Amino acid sequence: ETGVTQTPRHLVMGMTNKKSLKCEQHLGHNAMYWYKQSAKKPLELMFVYSLEERVENNSVPSRFSPECPNSSHLFLHLHTLQPEDSALYLCASSLQGKGEGEKLFFGSGTQLSVL
Amino acid sequence: AQSVTQLDSQVPVFEEAPVELRCNYSSSVSVYLFWYVQYPNQGLQLLLKYLSGSTLVKGINGFEAEFNKSQTSFHLRKPSVHISDTAEYFCAVSGGGYQKVTFGIGTKLQVIP
Repeated sequence: ETGVTQTPRHLVMGMTNKKSLKCEQHLGHNAMYWYKQSAKKPLELMFVYSLEERVENNSVPSRFSPECPNSSHLFLHLHTLQPEDSALYLCASSLQGKGEGEKLFFGSGTQLSVL
Repeated sequence: AQSVTQLDSQVPVFEEAPVELRCNYSSSVSVYLFWYVQYPNQGLQLLLKYLSGSTLVKGINGFEAEFNKSQTSFHLRKPSVHISDTAEYFCAVSGGGYQKVTFGIGTKLQVIP
């Protein structure tokens, strides 16, 4: 148990579907992240939310839409995805401003398959 | 700009043998360095980190890493591996600030009984 919970663990969706990934952290952290993990590629930072600002990777297509209603919850809304979006989506959190050098705590991920 | 290079995509090693997983980085600023481990069907877990001070860093599960500034390396070592160490290991560098964490491509460690 890492303190970061992601649901669902697995998701299969068609290209015309709309679905959402959910992440919840119980660590009192003030920043949350979405990463995409694809085979043979480095982890790709998609989005970051902190108390101060949201950082968006410019290369993330608009079919991915994040939402952070509070510091403990993070969503990733998906619509009209493509097969190449199939990957493991990881949520992470951290405590910024405490000299931890961005120590990240990860959830177990959602394995997404787009048919 | 910063980058991380993990030279070995897969490392097979016999149980109880020593192992070294290599990591080189580049950065224009002072860095924080990390090793994360990912077991099958799980997210990443912090193994150890270097922020400052002693260049030899000890982490969980008997792993250690040495920061070498002149060679810009942060290699991960364990003197005797166990079957349970079979996992993928990721080196990461941060220059500070959440948007500056860069991960390597990962090294799969396969421990052979």
